Amino acid sequence: NAGVTQTPKFQVLKTGQSMTLQCAQDMNHEYMSWYRQDPGMGLRLIHYSVGAGITDQGEVPNGYNVSRSTTEDFPLRLLSAAPSQTSVYFCASSYRPTDWAEQFFGPGTRLTVL
Amino acid sequence: SQQGEEDPQALSIQEGENATMNCSYKTSINNLQWYRQNSGRGLVHLILIRSNEREKHSGRLRVTLDTSKKSSSLLITASRAADTASYFCATGPPRYTGANSKLTFGKGITLSVRP
Repeated sequence: NAGVTQTPKFQVLKTGQSMTLQCAQDMNHEYMSWYRQDPGMGLRLIHYSVGAGITDQGEVPNGYNVSRSTTEDFPLRLLSAAPSQTSVYFCASSYRPTDWAEQFFGPGTRLTVL
Repeated sequence: SQQGEEDPQALSIQEGENATMNCSYKTSINNLQWYRQNSGRGLVHLILIRSNEREKHSGRLRVTLDTSKKSSSLLITASRAADTASYFCATGPPRYTGANSKLTFGKGITLSVRP
């Protein structure tokens, strides 16, 4: 099993550009989440999904869109990048609701917005 | 807002010593989890303790939960240089909300174990 994979590992964008961060898992997990990690802020939940076709907002959803067309994939779209979105982004998945089960994390995408 | 808050923010100990890290939270919970993050890597799950459990062990890790004080502690015994990492506690939303897919992480504790 590859577990949770994320691409790209690093990305530099200019303000106003859009892009999609990819996340995939091969463990048949229903629950997937996107977090951003900023220095001194810990991890903050952006969006999450409880199954294919079902997504909901987390703590900091503004400026991001998600969709879940398959169980395996959960891409995160930045609509118009802003310097405030410079961060490390982590995708995670679990086989039960995140409050009740271990989450498996991807290696992260380090994004810089100039 | 952050549900879990870890204490201390940073901890430096000698190899072989025990490391104790604390987490406090604000509202009632179903479960509490601890994660480790090595520098530049994703988080790795260490242990989950349920609200009806008081103590749980996993290898050199011992986690306690005191729901009356809304606090948890993570003890790493006989620390090793490889334990150098950031440690996070994570809690779900308040029990009464039923929204159990939103996990909230604290800001983390940086543990340095000196060889």
